[in-house]
Amino acid sequence: DTEVTQTPKHLVMGMTNKKSLKCEQHMGHRAMYWYKQKAKKPPELMFVYSYEKLSINESVPSRFSPECPNSSLLNLHLHALQPEDSALYLCASSPSGTSQVGYTFGSGTRLTVV
Amino acid sequence: GQNIDQPTEMTATEGAIVQINCTYQTSGFNGLFWYQQHAGEAPTFLSYNVLDGLEEKGRFSSFLSRSKGYSYLLLKELQMKDSASYLCAVRDLEDSSYKLIFGSGTRLLVRP
Repeated sequence: DTEVTQTPKHLVMGMTNKKSLKCEQHMGHRAMYWYKQKAKKPPELMFVYSYEKLSINESVPSRFSPECPNSSLLNLHLHALQPEDSALYLCASSPSGTSQVGYTFGSGTRLTVV
Repeated sequence: GQNIDQPTEMTATEGAIVQINCTYQTSGFNGLFWYQQHAGEAPTFLSYNVLDGLEEKGRFSSFLSRSKGYSYLLLKELQMKDSASYLCAVRDLEDSSYKLIFGSGTRLLVRP
């Protein structure tokens, strides 16, 4: 298995809803990442997990809450989002923080906040 | 601070060669990556440079000069399917953790 799987692929949620994005990999990678990408913009780093511990939070608002239940899973819990949070949310993984093989990205969750 | 610059758009002809440049200024450096991203899809890894010089992989080559903070991606024998965005990304070290920072990307249009 050489993939990063993200679910759901599409999500529409209201500003008062609570939802979660899920990411799963079975490549034995020990570093996992959440990125946010707006249209025609590059991916922006949100969070880095290394060996299941949060190592970097890029000053992301608390309405985004990451969780790493085990080495294969990464969640992003969403609560009280704003319309400007609508974007493509990408999960990625790598063998370690210093791997030469680059990150493997999932296909993303396209989130629309209404 | 961190700054990674790439041209916004480039156009080239099928069968030709194109070079996409990237300049960077980051607080740390632990490698430079190139990714390809088709519209609506996830980025896919193309190449990695950590030492100065040229890395060749099929039709794609990537060059790095650390002293100049400069890299380029060379695409040969262009095909229509190469029309995509090309992202330069630098791995930086922060608080003992590594993170990948992306440039703004270059949209490449390949014409017949």
